[in-house]
Amino acid sequence: DGGITQSPKYLFRKEGQNVTLSCEQNLNHDAMYWYRQDPGQGLRLIYYSQIVNDFQKGDIAEGYSVSREKKESFPLTVTSAQKNPTAFYLCASSSSQSVYNEQFFGPGTRLTVL
Amino acid sequence: QQQVKQSPQSLIVQKGGIPIINCAYENTAFDYFPWYQQFPGKGPALLIAIRPDVSEKKEGRFTISFNKSAKQFSLHIMDSQPGDSATYFCAASMGSNYQLIWGAGTKLIIKP
Repeated sequence: DGGITQSPKYLFRKEGQNVTLSCEQNLNHDAMYWYRQDPGQGLRLIYYSQIVNDFQKGDIAEGYSVSREKKESFPLTVTSAQKNPTAFYLCASSSSQSVYNEQFFGPGTRLTVL
Repeated sequence: QQQVKQSPQSLIVQKGGIPIINCAYENTAFDYFPWYQQFPGKGPALLIAIRPDVSEKKEGRFTISFNKSAKQFSLHIMDSQPGDSATYFCAASMGSNYQLIWGAGTKLIIKP
């Protein structure tokens, strides 16, 4: 089955710890994205990557880092510098071959800071 | 100019009613307007999308109406069902730009 997988589904972190959220896609999509969603709120873009070994900051990149070493993988690290990391994190991908930017989403990771 | 404004924030409709969710934009360079549906604890999924060269698009019970001169577009759900209860997001993008500009979302509840 083609799609996007995120792991883990739930993640608990102690204050001061870095954690890494996994995102893998087998859709052969060029672009990948990380969004943050807080309760009752919309999607805010953290980072996006259009090609391997290149990525750009979104609207709320502070306290986060990413890498894109492989086309199918785009892990997100939530660092201790992120002041309020408890949220629902969504990974998405899209194809440069589509005329318009249809984004496909993973099931999300819910991060809770204890 | 990059914003997409979505309303209402929440909406409760009786089963069989027609909920309407509205979005407005400023940037006339936008040329793709999708709607996404999100169920609790899940990622959003593309529901329906429209380009500005048409004024209406239907897919099943879902219809997008597009008013280019007013820079507004809306989602209508015909014969709404409790299973349609979800959060709906409008968005916009332009050309080959990879980013979607998202509305804030509307939490829709369809009462049985």
